[in-house]
Amino acid sequence: GNSVTQMEGPVTLSEEAFLTINCTYTATGYPSLFWYVQYPGEGLQLLLKATKADDKGSNKGFEATYRKETTSFHLEKGSVQVSDSAVYFCALSDKNRGSTLGRLYFGRGTQLTVWP
Amino acid sequence: EAGVTQFPSHSVIEKGQTVTLRCDPISGHDNLYWYRRVMGKEIKFLLHFVKESKQDESGMPNNRFLAERTGGTYSTLKVQPAELEDSGVYFCASSQEWVRPPEGPYFGPGTRLTVT
Repeated sequence: GNSVTQMEGPVTLSEEAFLTINCTYTATGYPSLFWYVQYPGEGLQLLLKATKADDKGSNKGFEATYRKETTSFHLEKGSVQVSDSAVYFCALSDKNRGSTLGRLYFGRGTQLTVWP
Repeated sequence: EAGVTQFPSHSVIEKGQTVTLRCDPISGHDNLYWYRRVMGKEIKFLLHFVKESKQDESGMPNNRFLAERTGGTYSTLKVQPAELEDSGVYFCASSQEWVRPPEGPYFGPGTRLTVT
């Protein structure tokens, strides 16, 4: 079946530190992969995504590369800011009748806190 | 462009009552999804519409939940009668995949449902 395993939190970093949040997946086909972010008091926002192997998604200084050989989609940022404090969710979408955007399977979320 | 909107933002009802949640997807998005996050648990898929048709409703927990998307625009999710375990945040999302690259899924802010 499909599942996502995400690095347990919470993660606490100082401003300008390097961030990695690990995400690995199990899928029966060729899923699309996503990172969502939930800022305090807000809903889920699509941060980045990749729809095929070796694709790199990037947005707001965050990056993640779709690695089929290691079934991973780790989130990285070179220099975090206080405003990056949020909960980060890794997710995959299986195919549905040939489509690429079926249901999403989410990881449990990783709470990131960045201190000034 | 307006994002996914949900109404109400919060709802507090008593056990046994009925509640109807509404979701307006991004204009032109054929795919509409419902998810929920029960306190402390993962975000779980409920169902997926493609236009007005239910593509996948395997995540609906029981027959107390009824989702509709008449006309293929907005959707409603009715819980009748509500039970304590239905409390949580209900998210709606939409996507349009027949463009390149596929758009979304984009999530709404969620409806926080509390059953007392």
